[in-house]
Amino acid sequence: GENVEQHPSTLSVQEGDSAVIKCTYSDSASNYFPWYKQELGKRPQLIIDIRSNVGEKKDQRIAVTLNKTAKHFSLHITETQPEDSAVYFCAARRALGANNLFFGTGTRLTVIP
Amino acid sequence: DSGVTQTPKHLITATGQRVTLRCSPRSGDLSVYWYQQSLDQGLQFLIQYYNGEERAKGNILERFSAQQFPDLHSELNLSSLELGDSALYFCASSVGEQNYGYTFGSGTRLTVV
Repeated sequence: GENVEQHPSTLSVQEGDSAVIKCTYSDSASNYFPWYKQELGKRPQLIIDIRSNVGEKKDQRIAVTLNKTAKHFSLHITETQPEDSAVYFCAARRALGANNLFFGTGTRLTVIP
Repeated sequence: DSGVTQTPKHLITATGQRVTLRCSPRSGDLSVYWYQQSLDQGLQFLIQYYNGEERAKGNILERFSAQQFPDLHSELNLSSLELGDSALYFCASSVGEQNYGYTFGSGTRLTVV
């Protein structure tokens, strides 16, 4: 199956700074890479995703990059705000077979005002 | 409201007991996925159903079972409960087997005492 590794496990940044979270995946056949944000006690919510035919995608302060050769993808948050504080999960989905998402272990982001 | 409904929101039960968690997918979604999230842990995939049939199995214990009914709602049955089964159980749904994104419900918090 797919194995997704995520780093760092915790990240603290000053408000206004950028935050970067990195993930690697093992299955070269994976073709879909979403990022979810989970606030304390709440459900994970999709914030951005990228497909394997695209190298970068941006949505306001959030961007995701994908390097298929190296099998890694990253989440970039610019101009961080206190409300960005949450746990962020990356995930990968294989192109063939079962389409369940394999999640990374999560990154707890704290934005310090 | 994500459109994915999970009941109950909270459940407290004793070791050795059996419980049933229920999930109603978003209208039009045929796939249902179950995930377990233990305290400060990631999202562990348990099982997927598509239009009533089991499609993929993850790290689901033999004490756990699930099914999806003709009206597409799904139930996750947990039996012979142990303290270590205490966790948040999330259900997610998507339109089809190869649909990329899926939406999580708000989860059921199970506490085994």
